[in-house]
Amino acid sequence: NAGVTQTPKFRVLKTGQSMTLLCAQDMNHEYMYWYRQDPGMGLRLIHYSVGEGTTAKGEVPDGYNVSRLKKQNFLLGLESAAPSQTSVYFCASSWDRANEQYFGPGTRLTVT
Amino acid sequence: ILNVEQSPQSLHVQEGDSTNFTCSFPSSNFYALHWYRWETAKSPEALFVMTLNGDEKKKGRISATLNTKEGYSYLYIKGSQPEDSATYLCAFNNAGNMLTFGGGTRLMVKP
Repeated sequence: NAGVTQTPKFRVLKTGQSMTLLCAQDMNHEYMYWYRQDPGMGLRLIHYSVGEGTTAKGEVPDGYNVSRLKKQNFLLGLESAAPSQTSVYFCASSWDRANEQYFGPGTRLTVT
Repeated sequence: ILNVEQSPQSLHVQEGDSTNFTCSFPSSNFYALHWYRWETAKSPEALFVMTLNGDEKKKGRISATLNTKEGYSYLYIKGSQPEDSATYLCAFNNAGNMLTFGGGTRLMVKP
């Protein structure tokens, strides 16, 4: 039982490049989330999904897109990376929005 | 955007000291309050999820209380140990939104 996994662990992008971060969970959770963590800012919700085929915007969605084609996977895309997107990205999942969230190990992204 | 405040931002204590932190959140439309423990270079892990006013939860030396009417929760650590050093996050749900996290309290326990 791997829990929540994220790929890749680290990535360096140049401004304007695109990439996709993959989150996978094996707990059959309905809800999945993408957060970014910046110094002094805590965790901020980018996008979330309440089930397969659904996505919704969180607090800081601009510059990101997401897809949830399969229940176990939640993808976060950056179409044209900007230095302001340098951050640590965490994926999480839960049974519903009030239950505890299980977090992945994080992806450290640097945009130069 | 909901305002979830944690205090203090950081705290240094000696091994064996007991300590507590505060999480403040909007008191209207309360749904749930979470506490997470986040060790350096790891992922946040849930400590408690609290849903009822007056709730008290305990896990070992760590306990939490909840007051939804006035919008605060306390996290207590009894007899702090160096392995308790971590950032403690609270997060709040109201009836219409996903979790909003506070900025965290960073605890450092000196041996």
